[in-house]
Amino acid sequence: EADIYQTPRYLVIGTGKKITLECSQTMGHDKMYWYQQDPGMELHLIHYSYGVNSTEKGDLSSESTVSRIRTEHFPLTLESARPSHTSQYLCASSGTSGRVYQETQYFGPGTRLLVL
Amino acid sequence: GQNIDQPTEMTATEGAIVQINCTYQTSGFNGLFWYQQHAGEAPTFLSYNVLDGLEEKGRFSSFLSRSKGYSYLLLKELQMKDSASYLCAVRGRYGGYNKLIFGAGTRLAVHP
Repeated sequence: EADIYQTPRYLVIGTGKKITLECSQTMGHDKMYWYQQDPGMELHLIHYSYGVNSTEKGDLSSESTVSRIRTEHFPLTLESARPSHTSQYLCASSGTSGRVYQETQYFGPGTRLLVL
Repeated sequence: GQNIDQPTEMTATEGAIVQINCTYQTSGFNGLFWYQQHAGEAPTFLSYNVLDGLEEKGRFSSFLSRSKGYSYLLLKELQMKDSASYLCAVRGRYGGYNKLIFGAGTRLAVHP
C-alpha cells in the first residue's frame, strides 16, 4: 500500500481565515487527487495532478486551490474559509504497481474541517 | 457520460454471505475497483477487475462482466467489522484522460 499522509487531521477555524491542508506521499506516485466528502455522502473530486507543475480542477467546483511543486507534496489552500467549506477532505495518490495500468488510488486519512 | 449505480443500503447477518451489485456506463472502460469505507474514515482498496471473471481475495471476491457493465462484491463469513460503506469505482476515458469515478456507495449493516 502507498504511504500517504495528511495534516492536520482535524481543524476548527473561524470564517475568513486562510488555511492550507497538507498531503504528502512517499511512494513516488505521479498522480495525486483531492476529494471532498460530506458525512454519509459520496466522494467528489475537486482537484487532481498528473505530475509536477500539473494541476486540474475536478468534477465539483471548489473555491480551493492546489499546487504541485514536488512529486510527493500536493497542498490544498482556502484563501478565505467559510462555513460552507465545512467537510472532510481526502487526498489520494496513484501510480503503476503490480499489474501495469492498474493505478490503484490510495487514500490518506483525511482532514475534517469545521469553519465557524 | 459516466454513471454508476449501486444499492444505497443493505443489511445482513453475521456469518452469512452478501452480494453488493454495481452497474455502470462509461466510455473507454479501463478497470473497476471496490473500496471499503468505515464511517468517518478514508476508503481502503479492496479489489480490482479489468478482465471478465471472478477475483478472489480471502473472504472477499469481486466479479466483472464488461459486456453487461456489471460487477459485484461478494463478502463471505460476515463479521461485525464488515459494517461499512462499499464503493464501486470505474475508470474510464474522459476528456482525453483516464479518470476514476466513484459510485455513491452501499452502506452495509451486519447484525448479530
